[in-house]
Amino acid sequence: GAGVSQSPSNKVTEKGKDVELRCDPISGHTALYWYRQRLGQGLEFLIYFQGNSAPDKSGLPSDRFSAERTGESVSTLTIQRTQQEDSAVYLCASSRTTGAQETQYFGPGTRLLVL
Amino acid sequence: AQSVTQPDIHITVSEGASLELRCNYSYGATPYLFWYVQSPGQGLQLLLKYFSGDTLVQGIKGFEAEFKRSQSSFNLRKPSVHWSDAAEYFCAVGAGTGGFKTIFGAGTRLFVKA
Repeated sequence: GAGVSQSPSNKVTEKGKDVELRCDPISGHTALYWYRQRLGQGLEFLIYFQGNSAPDKSGLPSDRFSAERTGESVSTLTIQRTQQEDSAVYLCASSRTTGAQETQYFGPGTRLLVL
Repeated sequence: AQSVTQPDIHITVSEGASLELRCNYSYGATPYLFWYVQSPGQGLQLLLKYFSGDTLVQGIKGFEAEFKRSQSSFNLRKPSVHWSDAAEYFCAVGAGTGGFKTIFGAGTRLFVKA
């Protein structure tokens, strides 16, 4: 079946604008994760959804960042009033279920550039 | 707090030579350990993972990793590197119960020379 898809693949925006990034997980995967990868750095956990449970938002860097997920399907990550330091690749991953042993399947990412 | 350290930012090896990428973790309990590879323009792909049992884990593409509890290490190895192995490699530790987060290292970029 199809893997994790993300859109757009690239986004250039001006400082202060809002952006919305989309993630389509693998069908049937109940867990979904968002990460941020700054240039030359590792992945930084942002938020985690598991089924209908309350999401784990502990990685969101500020209140300008928010994410939603409808059921076990699409998720959107919204960054309000973007800043230049928000420039990064935003990666989405899904896994069959929760649990530290579960394999996460990653999408290709959205490359965000804030001018 | 959980953490993962990959001490080598980049490594260059000749094609056909052996490879070892280092990874050290900090975690209070028995960790779940992963190695991912990120090829240019592509998403991360799981190479292998360790949960329990045999401390030598075999993965895809001819990679293996060995868990050494005494050294808090999970180094990735390959006996003979191919040019197509040039990529960025991330070590990660899965931790926690209930809400789950994977902690990633900063990555090691592998260059392969002919």
